[in-house]
Amino acid sequence: NAGVTQTPKFQVLKTGQSMTLQCAQDMNHEYMSWYRQDPGMGLRLIHYSVGAGITDQGEVPNGYNVSRSTTEDFPLRLLSAAPSQTSVYFCASSYKGNTEAFFGQGTRLTVV
Amino acid sequence: GIQVEQSPPDLILQEGANSTLRCNFSDSVNNLQWFHQNPWGQLINLFYIPSGTKQNGRLSATTVATERYSLLYISSSQTTDSGVYFCAVENTGFQKLVFGTGTRLLVSP
Repeated sequence: NAGVTQTPKFQVLKTGQSMTLQCAQDMNHEYMSWYRQDPGMGLRLIHYSVGAGITDQGEVPNGYNVSRSTTEDFPLRLLSAAPSQTSVYFCASSYKGNTEAFFGQGTRLTVV
Repeated sequence: GIQVEQSPPDLILQEGANSTLRCNFSDSVNNLQWFHQNPWGQLINLFYIPSGTKQNGRLSATTVATERYSLLYISSSQTTDSGVYFCAVENTGFQKLVFGTGTRLLVSP
């Protein structure tokens, strides 16, 4: 049981490039979400999904797109990377909305 | 939206000491979790505790939902306890966790 798996672990992008951060879970969880963590701060919600085909915006959604075509996968797309998107990104999943959330190991993204 | 405040922001302990970390939140919640972020950045689940008291080895947590606070107790601290402790709450039912800014703990030998 791998839990929540994020790839890649590290990435450097140039301003304007696009990329997709991958997130997969093998716990058959309905709820998945993406957070970003900036230095000295807690995590902030980017987008979330309550099931396949259903996504919604969180606190800081600008510059990011998501889709949820399967229960297992929830990729996060950066359309045109900006230095302000330099951060550590975490994916999480949970069985329901008010149950324990489990986090992946994070992706450290640097935009130069 | 709901606000989460953690205190103290920083804590330095000698190995073997006890400590109490506090999490205050501004509205009723149906989900509260404590996490430990280790020096490698990994978020480790400590407790899922929207109310009541739980214990796991040297760690225990209490949430008083009616008073809108939660406490994390660390006893006989070890150097491996170092890192940042986050409290996260949720009250929408959609797993939209709101995190505090954390307590940074350093345990010295």
